[in-house]
Amino acid sequence: SSELTQDPAVSVALGQTVRITCQGDSLGTYFATWYQQKSGQAPVLVIYGKNNRPSGIPDRFSGSTSGNTASLTITGAQAEDEADYYCYSRDSGGDHVVFGTGTKVTVL
Amino acid sequence: QVQLQESGPGLVKPSETLSLTCTVSGDSISSYYWSWIRQPPGKGLEWIGYVSDSGSTNYNPSLMSRLTISLDTSKNQFSLKLISVTPSDTAIYYCARFRNWNCDCWGQGTLVTVSS
Repeated sequence: SSELTQDPAVSVALGQTVRITCQGDSLGTYFATWYQQKSGQAPVLVIYGKNNRPSGIPDRFSGSTSGNTASLTITGAQAEDEADYYCYSRDSGGDHVVFGTGTKVTVL
Repeated sequence: QVQLQESGPGLVKPSETLSLTCTVSGDSISSYYWSWIRQPPGKGLEWIGYVSDSGSTNYNPSLMSRLTISLDTSKNQFSLKLISVTPSDTAIYYCARFRNWNCDCWGQGTLVTVSS
């Protein structure tokens, strides 16, 4: 299996833009999926595929990939965006899935 | 709208078997794949495995030797069994719908503590 590495924590001022990155060998082959997990709650899918948002996810969330790095961008961060964010993808062999290490986003 | 609910014992003794059930409502369990994920307290998420609509399975290699995930279509449920548990298996266990390799709908999670 492969690993997906994220920065442990980032902070962003209210209304500003923050980018969360996820690095892993498999991301050169497979798209990353992004989950948001607020304190004490189950994760919620926010981005999947090339850059797709499930119904109900605000359009301030967007995803992109460059080489082996996937990014989740929050444009105009809101207080309710404060949460842990996990990337997720198939492993290098394509047979299993793996979660990233997680990034805690603080909105100042 | 699909809803998932985990159920099972909240406390399991070391070396015994952890058994959980996920009840699905609002959707047929025969229409999709279904997955288990866990999260040790204060730590990150770990994918456990999935069961397909036909009952075939795919497990995390690190858990494969101890793990069984199965379907019960008559009850619209799927289940997890993890044998020979240790305190490191203490976690919140989530069930989720697994669609196009994504967990797109999750249960609320259930805490399982492994302790004597």
